[in-house]
Amino acid sequence: NAGVMQNPRHLVRRRGQEARLRCSPMKGHSHVYWYRQLPEEGLKFMVYLQKENIIDESGMPKERFSAEFPKEGPSILRIQQVVRGDSAAYFCASSPGLSGHEQYFGPGTRLTVT
Amino acid sequence: GDSVTQMEGPVTLSEEAFLTINCTYTATGYPSLFWYVQYPGEGLQLLLKATKADDKGSNKGFEATYRKETTSFHLEKGSVQVSDSAVYFCALSEGEYGNKLVFGAGTILRVKS
Repeated sequence: NAGVMQNPRHLVRRRGQEARLRCSPMKGHSHVYWYRQLPEEGLKFMVYLQKENIIDESGMPKERFSAEFPKEGPSILRIQQVVRGDSAAYFCASSPGLSGHEQYFGPGTRLTVT
Repeated sequence: GDSVTQMEGPVTLSEEAFLTINCTYTATGYPSLFWYVQYPGEGLQLLLKATKADDKGSNKGFEATYRKETTSFHLEKGSVQVSDSAVYFCALSEGEYGNKLVFGAGTILRVKS
């Protein structure tokens, strides 16, 4: 059973470009979470999604960031007009159910904005 | 909001030494508590968890006890190995469904042979 897959593993973007990060959850998992890890900091929750629904986006920056988890295909975290401060590792996790379930993490995407 | 504070690293130990990584938390409710481990180039893996006060989580020789009176969840291992070298994250769950994880900053552990 393949684990959580994220791609790309490394992404370099120039300031003002768009970044798209993809996450395929574990088979059978319908809940996806995105976390961001800034240098020297712990992971910070960004957003929690079910298929076609955003459940909790309390950690998402108000502008430039969006997330989706369509009925078919991977979850996408989209960052428009990237700035240097967006440089970080972005981790995706998935779980099979609503509450009390372990979250399984992917290897992360390291975004560098030049 | 809820928060987690863990001891700063890096922690450098010799093989077979005793390990303690301190973790304290601030929470308004009664969260579940977790320790995650991250090996180089990999995602986080759940190491152990505890869901209520006085619960002890254990796995692979590591253990931690949920102490409500001291709001702590310290990670311990009696005899570390070189293969335990990794980054360790303490975390708690919050939110309406308990699905939102709040992480500490992580502690780097280096074990020398």
